[in-house]
Amino acid sequence: QVQLQESGPGLVKPSETLSLTCTVSGGSISSYFWTWIRQPAGKGLEWIGRIYPTGTTNYNPSLKSRVTMSVDTSKNQFSLKLSSVTAADTAVYYCAREADSGSGRYFDYWGPGTLVTVSS
Amino acid sequence: DIQMTQSPSSLSASVGDRVIITCRASQSISSYLNWYQQKPGTAPKLLIYAASSLQSGVPSRFSGSGSGTDFTLTISSLQPEDFATYYCQQSYTTPRTFGQGTKVEVK
Repeated sequence: QVQLQESGPGLVKPSETLSLTCTVSGGSISSYFWTWIRQPAGKGLEWIGRIYPTGTTNYNPSLKSRVTMSVDTSKNQFSLKLSSVTAADTAVYYCAREADSGSGRYFDYWGPGTLVTVSS
Repeated sequence: DIQMTQSPSSLSASVGDRVIITCRASQSISSYLNWYQQKPGTAPKLLIYAASSLQSGVPSRFSGSGSGTDFTLTISSLQPEDFATYYCQQSYTTPRTFGQGTKVEVK
């Protein structure tokens, strides 16, 4: 059973960089797209971007200038960095796996989420 | 970006009711449409992928239909554990986008 777990600081100061890591267990990270999604309290889901094990990335244009994703296949981990954060970046951050069955592409495994608060 | 619009934003229903949620895409997305269920404090859970394929382990009272721009999620007989928020999501192109959610509440 594939499991994902987010880790990182729960509190980040404004203008600093948010850094999160997702550890994948129960399966290899060496295929699939690995994704970050966030959800402000009481609001909907926003796709931040994704990374393939080769290092290929796709970012949401609304965040692209501030986002960097990386992958470490030896540790079965992938990471998110979001720079110059403001209070608007306060949210629960999820990592997820995007599977491709040929007939569809979907997020089939999710981490439990981690709350990141941006505050001084 | 492809905009996903769900309706209604919320609904009240009773156990045993048939519930229908609709999702409209701002352009054709073929059948690249997924549905998720989210309960408070938990991650979304995949219910339906490719518009109508039931994810393994999901009860058969959930079904999806549609293609192009218009899609529906149907719960044939609402159960107590189905009170939650439901999201549609397109996987036709990046950026992936979600509907705003439909909250199913107790009537």
